Amino acid sequence: SQQGEEDPQALSIQEGENATMNCSYKTSINNLQWYRQNSGRGLVHLILIRSNEREKHSGRLRVTLDTSKKSSSLLITASRAADTASYFCATDYNQGGKLIFGQGTELSVKP
Amino acid sequence: KAGVTQTPRYLIKTRGQQVTLSCSPISGHRSVSWYQQTPGQGLQFLFEYFSETQRNKGNFPGRFSGRQFSNSRSEMNVSTLELGDSALYLCASSPPGLAGLIQYFGAGTRLSVL
Repeated sequence: SQQGEEDPQALSIQEGENATMNCSYKTSINNLQWYRQNSGRGLVHLILIRSNEREKHSGRLRVTLDTSKKSSSLLITASRAADTASYFCATDYNQGGKLIFGQGTELSVKP
Repeated sequence: KAGVTQTPRYLIKTRGQQVTLSCSPISGHRSVSWYQQTPGQGLQFLFEYFSETQRNKGNFPGRFSGRQFSNSRSEMNVSTLELGDSALYLCASSPPGLAGLIQYFGAGTRLSVL
């Protein structure tokens, strides 16, 4: 399978703490994306990082990409209860329109 | 702009029946992709359409088919339903220039096969 691995599978933290999720993938990529899904609904695109970028920020989100290790991480700083969701990394493996998703990390932020 | 609209939101079918799911992409988007999400297999790519042509296909049996109309609306059909087809089916569209890169998802159709 081309699907990458994400860890941890589940993460429970208190409001205000930081949350870090990791994603590994299998072959070379041009870009990697992160999506959020709230309780079995549609996914929302969070951020895209290209293979020539090492770090990218968007609000409270920070994404890093290490192409030598074929891994990426998503950091959510100062988490809020509203951040409770599942987070997925995804890449198209250079096949536009066909995203391959990781298994996801289920984040629970307790107030 | 309206988001991606999927209908119906919920469906209950019995084994052996067939089902058609509908997806209306964001206005101006020409790429539409379909995914199946189950607790066991996660999110799996079904197929992608661009300008009425299937550009990519996932590893699903021929019972799963789709099409795209000239207005970019898309439908997927599952024939001879099996219990294992119970899943959340998600449709996503992509804007021109970023075809397939960043995808905007609908809320999904939850299919239960009894």
